[in-house]
Amino acid sequence: DSGVTQTPKHLITATGQRVTLRCSPRSGDLSVYWYQQSLDQGLQFLIQYYNGEERAKGNILERFSAQQFPDLHSELNLSSLELGDSALYFCASSGTSGGGTQYFGPGTRLLVL
Amino acid sequence: GDSVTQMEGPVTLSEEAFLTINCTYTATGYPSLFWYVQYPGEGLQLLLKATKADDKGSNKGFEATYRKETTSFHLEKGSVQVSDSAVYFCALSDPGGSQGNLIFGKGTKLSVKP
Repeated sequence: DSGVTQTPKHLITATGQRVTLRCSPRSGDLSVYWYQQSLDQGLQFLIQYYNGEERAKGNILERFSAQQFPDLHSELNLSSLELGDSALYFCASSGTSGGGTQYFGPGTRLLVL
Repeated sequence: GDSVTQMEGPVTLSEEAFLTINCTYTATGYPSLFWYVQYPGEGLQLLLKATKADDKGSNKGFEATYRKETTSFHLEKGSVQVSDSAVYFCALSDPGGSQGNLIFGKGTKLSVKP
């Protein structure tokens, strides 16, 4: 158990809909990272928050957004969903703002029909 | 930009065989290197890491040495078990860079047969 929790575990929705994925980092970790894992793209970094502030952006679509709350949990919002957004979404946390060891949650499997 | 290249699988071995999964990297700075493992239906677990040249990371019988001269971080295990069947990802992060995210290789699927 990494100490990182993600909800929900599975999500099935329709094209055009909006969903919110939730992540709670390990106790004491200030950084939260979001990654997308798909068969064709592999593991891709989406966005990082550090202590409530956006720290870095990767290949995140404009339809996607995230935030980190004062209690350090984070939410990833995916809107106007397309079939190609079906993937595993992982959250990871670390104790540093960059370069440190990241601990991953179990992931949320999103299926867009 | 920074990148990681690892041998593509799948790799199929018999129990007690020797395992090597090759990983090379390209980085402008001095990255930290990681191996993560993903068991079927689960998230990524940190297997081992190394933060500077010549460091050896080890865990559960797996080892990898940070080789700066060959920009490599190959994963090895002397005797694999059926329970080692999983997907293995090599990754790097740059502690001195502007972004702290991990950059992953494409993953290598390992199947160990009894």
